[in-house]
Amino acid sequence: AQSVTQLGSHVSVSEGALVLLRCNYSSSVPPYLFWYVQYPNQGLQLLLKYTSAATLVKGINGFEAEFKKSETSFHLTKPSAHMSDAAEYFCAVSDQPGNTPLVFGKGTRLSVIA
Amino acid sequence: NAGVTQTPKFRVLKTGQSMTLLCAQDMNHEYMYWYRQDPGMGLRLIHYSVGEGTTAKGEVPDGYNVSRLKKQNFLLGLESAAPSQTSVYFCASRVTTRTSGTYNEQFFGPGTRLTVL
Repeated sequence: AQSVTQLGSHVSVSEGALVLLRCNYSSSVPPYLFWYVQYPNQGLQLLLKYTSAATLVKGINGFEAEFKKSETSFHLTKPSAHMSDAAEYFCAVSDQPGNTPLVFGKGTRLSVIA
Repeated sequence: NAGVTQTPKFRVLKTGQSMTLLCAQDMNHEYMYWYRQDPGMGLRLIHYSVGEGTTAKGEVPDGYNVSRLKKQNFLLGLESAAPSQTSVYFCASRVTTRTSGTYNEQFFGPGTRLTVL
């Protein structure tokens, strides 16, 4: 069975500072990994995904994530936070080739301070 | 394309009442899902469907039923609502065509906020 652990339910950064949101996964088979973002009162929107093509994945809005098999991690980063990045971020895992539903972490709320 | 739509957006029920949430997608996706989102719990899978006429239980199926009579629609029913079912419900659909650039991505609806008194 797959699972996801997101370290830190709330992260606060200053505008312009590095954003680092942590995600560790557990999977007995090669995983697909995803980061989704949820803005207030909205649904989830895909930020980026890892599907084994490349370990460093670039997504929308300047975010990227690196798949590290040895650490079973898929941390999300952005070099410089903007106020508009304030949202909740979810890491999710499914198996390859994708027969199982996504399993989500509990989410990390990102606050950006001016 | 409207993507994934959910009806209604908000609903208030009394304990014991029943209701049906409708999810519709116009992307011809095979797989569809119902999740509930509660503070600090992330998204938990209620039921899902891998095709028309098929459904399966997820992590938290008790108190809910589903039907997938048409490929584009996935209905979530609460037969006798309880306060513990107060939540935000999200529907999603997934691309299963390997040649698609969005293969295995799940597309989410805007959510239905349900309060059970």
